[in-house]
Amino acid sequence: QQQVKQSPQSLIVQKGGISIINCAYENTAFDYFPWYQQFPGKGPALLIAIRPDVSEKKEGRFTISFNKSAKQFSLHIMDSQPGDSATYFCAAYNTNAGKSTFGDGTTLTVKP
Amino acid sequence: DAGVIQSPRHEVTEMGQEVTLRCKPISGHNSLFWYRQTMMRGLELLIYFNNNVPIDDSGMPEDRFSAKMPNASFSTLKIQPSEPRDSAVYFCASSVRLWREKETQYFGPGTRLLVL
Repeated sequence: QQQVKQSPQSLIVQKGGISIINCAYENTAFDYFPWYQQFPGKGPALLIAIRPDVSEKKEGRFTISFNKSAKQFSLHIMDSQPGDSATYFCAAYNTNAGKSTFGDGTTLTVKP
Repeated sequence: DAGVIQSPRHEVTEMGQEVTLRCKPISGHNSLFWYRQTMMRGLELLIYFNNNVPIDDSGMPEDRFSAKMPNASFSTLKIQPSEPRDSAVYFCASSVRLWREKETQYFGPGTRLLVL
C-alpha cells in the first residue's frame, strides 16, 4: 500500500515559471512533511519541511502548502531556474514509527 | 563535517557473489537508514537502526539481504548471493532523533551496484 502518492512523475517548466508538485498521504499518524531535492549522482538532501499545524511555509523561492483536512501538501517553486532541475521527493514522517515514507519522486526540468 | 560516508561508490559484481556496502554516519547521529533506489520502485526503505539496534527491517526484500550496525560509527549492508535484480543505488542516511523533535535525514552519496 503506497502511503504517499506524488504527482506528476515529470515536469517541464520554462525559466521563470512556477513549478508545482503535489503529494497526498493516507496515514494520519504522519506528523512532519519534508521535501528532498536530489541531483543526478547525489543523495537526496532536505529542501524544506512543514509541520501539520501550519498551512504554509516559505523559504526563498520554495513554498510548501499544506491542507490537513484533505491530507495533501504541495511544493511550489517560484521563478524556476535551470539550476532547480532535479528530482524532488515528498516525504511523510511518523514520529512514533521513527521513519519517513517517501513519494515516488518528480523529475523537474527547467528550460532556459 | 564530512557528512555520511559510503563505500564503495561503485560496485560491479557477478551474480552469486557476496556484496558488502559500508556506511559511516554523521558523528552524533543516533539513527541510520538503508535505502534502495531504482527507476521502477523509487526510493525504498530497507532497514533502519536507532542507537545501533535494528528497529524496522520490514523493507528488507529477502533473506539474501542482511544489515548490521556494530557501533555508532559503522554499518554494513550485505547481499549474499547477489542477483541481477539487486542492481540499484543504495543510500545510507543518518539522523539525530531527539524526543519530540522532528528528524532530518542526511543522505550519503550512494553506492551504485551492478550485478551482472
